[in-house]
Amino acid sequence: EAGVVQSPRYKIIEKKQPVAFWCNPISGHNTLYWYRQNLGQGPELLIRYENEEAVDDSQLPKDRFSAERLKGVDSTLKIQPAELGDSAVYLCASSFQAGATDTQYFGPGTRLTVL
Amino acid sequence: GDSVTQMEGPVTLSEEAFLTINCTYTATGYPSLFWYVQYPGEGLQLLLKATKADDKGSNKGFEATYRKETTSFHLEKGSVQVSDSAVYFCALPSGGGRRALTFGSGTRLQVQP
Repeated sequence: EAGVVQSPRYKIIEKKQPVAFWCNPISGHNTLYWYRQNLGQGPELLIRYENEEAVDDSQLPKDRFSAERLKGVDSTLKIQPAELGDSAVYLCASSFQAGATDTQYFGPGTRLTVL
Repeated sequence: GDSVTQMEGPVTLSEEAFLTINCTYTATGYPSLFWYVQYPGEGLQLLLKATKADDKGSNKGFEATYRKETTSFHLEKGSVQVSDSAVYFCALPSGGGRRALTFGSGTRLQVQP
């Protein structure tokens, strides 16, 4: 079974440039998460989707971040414009449902460096 | 709000040594508890979990017992191997409906041959 796929794996951009990350979850998983992991820290939730609906985006900086999950399958996270403080690893995860005991499966992440 | 506190690393051990990584939590009620592991260059993967108080999760020789009296979920392994070198994260479901994970800051384990 294929795992969560993310691309690109690495991205280096200059500040004020736009950037986009793509995620394809495990087939059949209804719930998709985007997390941000700063160096030396644990991941922090940015947004959670159930099917195509964003049901928790309270931690997403909406002035510069946007996300979409068309047709309830793959998802794109965008930053425009990027700032130096956005340098981090962006993780996508999926789960079959969103219950408190459900296992989340993580992709390898996209490491973003903003110069 | 809900939070997780882990012991700081790095933890450096010799092969076959005993491992303990401490994790304590603050939460309303008794949420499920998880340990995730991140091997170099790879994504996080679930190591083990416990869904209710007094449960013991186990996998690959690792164990953790959900202790509500001490609000702890310490990770243990009797004999570590070089291949166990990784970053370990304790986590619990939080937020609205407990549908996302709150992670600790992670503990890096280095096992020397």
